[in-house]
Amino acid sequence: QSALTQPASVSGSPGQSITISCTGTSSDVGGYNYVSWYQQHPGKAPKLMIYDVSSRPSGVSNRFSGSKSGNTASLTISGLQAEDEADYYCSSYTSSTTVWVFGGGTKLTVL
Amino acid sequence: EVQLVESGGGLVQPGGSLRLSCAASGFTFSTYWMHWVRQAPGKGLVWVSRINKDGSTTSYADSVKGRFTISRDNAKNTLYLQMNSLRAEDTAVYYCVSNSGSSFDYWGQGTLVTVSS
Repeated sequence: QSALTQPASVSGSPGQSITISCTGTSSDVGGYNYVSWYQQHPGKAPKLMIYDVSSRPSGVSNRFSGSKSGNTASLTISGLQAEDEADYYCSSYTSSTTVWVFGGGTKLTVL
Repeated sequence: EVQLVESGGGLVQPGGSLRLSCAASGFTFSTYWMHWVRQAPGKGLVWVSRINKDGSTTSYADSVKGRFTISRDNAKNTLYLQMNSLRAEDTAVYYCVSNSGSSFDYWGQGTLVTVSS
């Protein structure tokens, strides 16, 4: 069982927007602004998409945005494109001995 | 261009040992914390271990504590993971990851470790 809870799957049509949630506790998501999101295509390494809750690395499309409310962080992808179909993982720093935790991952299907 | 290239994975029997290496290039290796993250086949990402910039501070997931040792050689721009007493549940792709502060910035392509008799 992963430390952070994500929906197993989400789907949307091209052009639509989707949101993926990531629920933790006050010891991780709620306690720090160190939430990040990663995109992983099959057989590939993960890629950083969002860091510090809502910041985008250089080169990442502005269709990707992040937010947080309490113990739940969210990743929103607007203007869905076929290339967005992938697995998405959230991560957070935690005050526990684990130090860093991930969500179980969400499979995004673009219909 | 940042590159992280892992090596050392393979098939090992339960109870055996392996040492993974990660060769870094394209950035100033000695100024980054480094991590190992693993992913079992068909499963999610799991943080394994981290090491600070000069190698003086390390942390481990409870599942590997006492069995795995992370280290680095800044002169060689290389990160290591010594894995002892391997178990079937350690079977995974192991990723070498750089960390500039609050996120995992760059990932290697991963190296597969299979623990099986």
